[in-house]
Amino acid sequence: DVKVTQSSRYLVKRTGEKVFLECVQDMDHENMFWYRQDPGLGLRLIYFSYDVKMKEKGDIPEGYSVSREKKERFSLILESASTNQTSMYLCASSWSGTGTNYGYTFGSGTRLTVV
Amino acid sequence: KQEVTQIPAALSVPEGENLVLNCSFTDSAIYNLQWFRQDPGKGLTSLLLIQSSQREQTSGRLNASLDKSSGRSTLYIAASQPGDSATYLCAVIGGTSGSRLTFGEGTQLTVNP
Repeated sequence: DVKVTQSSRYLVKRTGEKVFLECVQDMDHENMFWYRQDPGLGLRLIYFSYDVKMKEKGDIPEGYSVSREKKERFSLILESASTNQTSMYLCASSWSGTGTNYGYTFGSGTRLTVV
Repeated sequence: KQEVTQIPAALSVPEGENLVLNCSFTDSAIYNLQWFRQDPGKGLTSLLLIQSSQREQTSGRLNASLDKSSGRSTLYIAASQPGDSATYLCAVIGGTSGSRLTFGEGTQLTVNP
């Protein structure tokens, strides 16, 4: 069964800490995505990547960065965590290119609390 | 910019009822449409994927239809069960958003025993 694995289900971090959220997929997908989900705001795209070492800003990239050194792994980095980054973070992957007909696969999410 | 709307926002039904969830999108030039289920505090589980050339997809008690020209999709759930209680999300790929996924706000479904 194909999988997108997020390394942590729950994380509690302190304000100002550097936080790494890891995501690994085993489907050889080119595309990988990071979303955050908040009540009343839905799912919002933070960053995405079409290939190794490639990254594109999504709708809300401020305060975040990403790293994709290997095809299967996409990391989301909070350079200096703040309380307004408390949220559910979801990673997803898909096949490449426009016109894709294969859909997205999501991980189980990481609930991050910044105190 | 692609926009996706889901109606209703919440739905409460007795067990055994057949029900329909609605999804509409503003740009009909999509590549495909995907329905997801999300349980509280969990990730998204893909239910059905409808390619742009298809009209519907079925999986068990679920049937999803797609009318690209009118910008609409419906998710039909037959003989609902309490275990179907979850939030259902509609998402489209394509149109003005390219290969990015654009989500609706979701329909929160409660099936009462």
